[in-house]
Amino acid sequence: DIQMTQSPSSVSASVGDRVSITCRATQAISNYVAWFQQKPGKAPKALIYAASSLERGVPSRFSGSGSGTDFTLTISSLQPEDFATYYCHQYFSYPRTFGQGTKLEIK
Amino acid sequence: DVQLVESGGDLIQPGGSLRLSCVGSGFNVNTNDMAWVRQAPGQGLEWVSVSHSGGSTYYSDSVKGRFIISRDISKNSLNLHMNDLRAEDTATYYCTRDKRVLGGLIPLAYWGQGTQVAVSS
Repeated sequence: DIQMTQSPSSVSASVGDRVSITCRATQAISNYVAWFQQKPGKAPKALIYAASSLERGVPSRFSGSGSGTDFTLTISSLQPEDFATYYCHQYFSYPRTFGQGTKLEIK
Repeated sequence: DVQLVESGGDLIQPGGSLRLSCVGSGFNVNTNDMAWVRQAPGQGLEWVSVSHSGGSTYYSDSVKGRFIISRDISKNSLNLHMNDLRAEDTATYYCTRDKRVLGGLIPLAYWGQGTQVAVSS
């Protein structure tokens, strides 16, 4: 099974800051990575697919990059509504797997 | 609009069985790839199982041999039959659907609101 190691597990930041979250796969997975945002008590929401493609309706301050084993989600200028937990997800092979999550908190 | 509505969650004793259902609206469940994802209380997301429109199914190692994913065409629904339930199966279970886009797909693009399963004596 492919493991996704996500870091950091938590990060504190301020509105307007630039934040990056990384995910490393235990084997090469091309660009088969998606990123999800989850707010407390809500279902996750897809942000990025194919490592760098933005889902429709997602603000352009979100971006993704990477290929092979290393992937990054970047939020260019944090907004109050961005404080949430973020997960990477590989869909290269079964069983599909998620990273452990990164909780983004207000500083 | 695509909507997914799960039901069937309950408090169940260890070793018991439960069937979760997910009714889709705004699309045909039978022609889409559908999956279940779960989240234990206070924990991260765990992918559970997928049913491809072509008929193939896959499971996580933690549920293989105990859970069965299936479709009910007449009800436009996706089911998850859970057997030999364990305390570690306690979670919110989400029904999801992939979305095909030009050149690829968005995995788990659509989510239901979740249904809670608690396994305890």
